[in-house]
Amino acid sequence: NAGVTQTPKFQVLKTGQSMTLQCAQDMNHNSMYWYRQDPGMGLRLIYYSASEGTTDKGEVPNGYNVSRLNKREFSLRLESAAPSQTSVYFCASSEHGGQNEQYFGPGTRLTVT
Amino acid sequence: RKEVEQDPGPFNVPEGATVAFNCTYSNSASQSFFWYRQDCRKEPKLLMSVYSSGNEDGRFTAQLNRASQYISLLIRDSKLSDSATYLCVVNMWGFQKLVFGTGTRLLVSP
Repeated sequence: NAGVTQTPKFQVLKTGQSMTLQCAQDMNHNSMYWYRQDPGMGLRLIYYSASEGTTDKGEVPNGYNVSRLNKREFSLRLESAAPSQTSVYFCASSEHGGQNEQYFGPGTRLTVT
Repeated sequence: RKEVEQDPGPFNVPEGATVAFNCTYSNSASQSFFWYRQDCRKEPKLLMSVYSSGNEDGRFTAQLNRASQYISLLIRDSKLSDSATYLCVVNMWGFQKLVFGTGTRLLVSP
């Protein structure tokens, strides 16, 4: 089992460009999450999907959109990248919502110039 | 008040030392508790869940104190490889998400 995979691992964008971060899990988990991590800020939840077909905003959703494509895949889209979105992005999954531990992907390091 | 608070450290300890971290949480309705470990430039990884009765996994012991709303992590016989940031994680019943602390950094030196 690969667990949680993310692509790409690194990305550099210019201000105003768009991109989609991909995430997939092979653990048959119901819930999936997108976080960003900045120095000194800890992990901040962007969006989550409690189950296939549902998505909800987290703590910092502005400037992002998500799609739960199917049970396995959960993508994060930046429509018009801004320097403030320079960060490390982690995808995570859990069996059932917040009661269970989450398993993280290796992260995407995004720089917006 | 933050939902989950941790001392950022760093805690500098020699190999073989015992070190303990505490973490406080604000919501008495919290039901699930975890410790994660994060190495530099890597993803967080589950270290252990924290049960009401306390639990131990090798050199690691986790405790929960509901009355005072804190959880603790004790590391015995520290190894160089224990150097990392330790994240305290809490969930509230009925909520679909976990709340992560900002982490406590541990540096174990020879």
